[in-house]
Amino acid sequence: AQTVTQSQPEMSVQEAETVTLSCTYDTSENNYYLFWYKQPPSRQMILVIRQEAYKQQNATENRFSVNFQKAAKSFSLKISDSQLGDTAMYFCAFMKSGGNTPLVFGKGTRLSVIA
Amino acid sequence: GAGVSQSPSNKVTEKGKDVELRCDPISGHTALYWYRQSLGQGLEFLIYFQGNSAPDKSGLPSDRFSAERTGGSVSTLTIQRTQQEDSAVYLCASSLQLGLPDTQYFGPGTRLTVL
Repeated sequence: AQTVTQSQPEMSVQEAETVTLSCTYDTSENNYYLFWYKQPPSRQMILVIRQEAYKQQNATENRFSVNFQKAAKSFSLKISDSQLGDTAMYFCAFMKSGGNTPLVFGKGTRLSVIA
Repeated sequence: GAGVSQSPSNKVTEKGKDVELRCDPISGHTALYWYRQSLGQGLEFLIYFQGNSAPDKSGLPSDRFSAERTGGSVSTLTIQRTQQEDSAVYLCASSLQLGLPDTQYFGPGTRLTVL
């Protein structure tokens, strides 16, 4: 079975600064997908970024980028130029390859961006 | 088009009552998932529908939980004889099924409170 661990229950960052959220996972699979989702107080889960394990290049989406270390089974999220609207719960998630399968989530990191 | 919708937004019930939670996926999405988000527990998978295949019920916590999906679209999650530990946010997600893993899009969830 796969497990996802987010070791930082809470973090805070000053507006315009950079913050990195940690995620590690455990799997025996070689092909899989990793995701970061954001959940603001509205409860709506929003996809931030995804990474295919077979790709060596780290995914980026505007101010969001990941540091994917396959051998170390690490998948951290970097948020640059933090904005107040980035305040939310952030969940790291794992999906096996081979079709659409359920996501396995970490317990989340609560990020607060401070003005 | 519209995103994933769920109803009701909030549900308060008494212990022992049955409840039904509804999910309306994005039009054209053939995969549908139910997750439960309990306080401090992250998100756990409950059940997964993929097209006309038999659902994957491996995440259902007890036989009090069941779900169906009519006409390959709307899904209903039913909890019978509710218990206080069933209190949680129930999230529904849908995705395209194109033979490759696709992003899961989430609804806003139903917050269930069992008194």
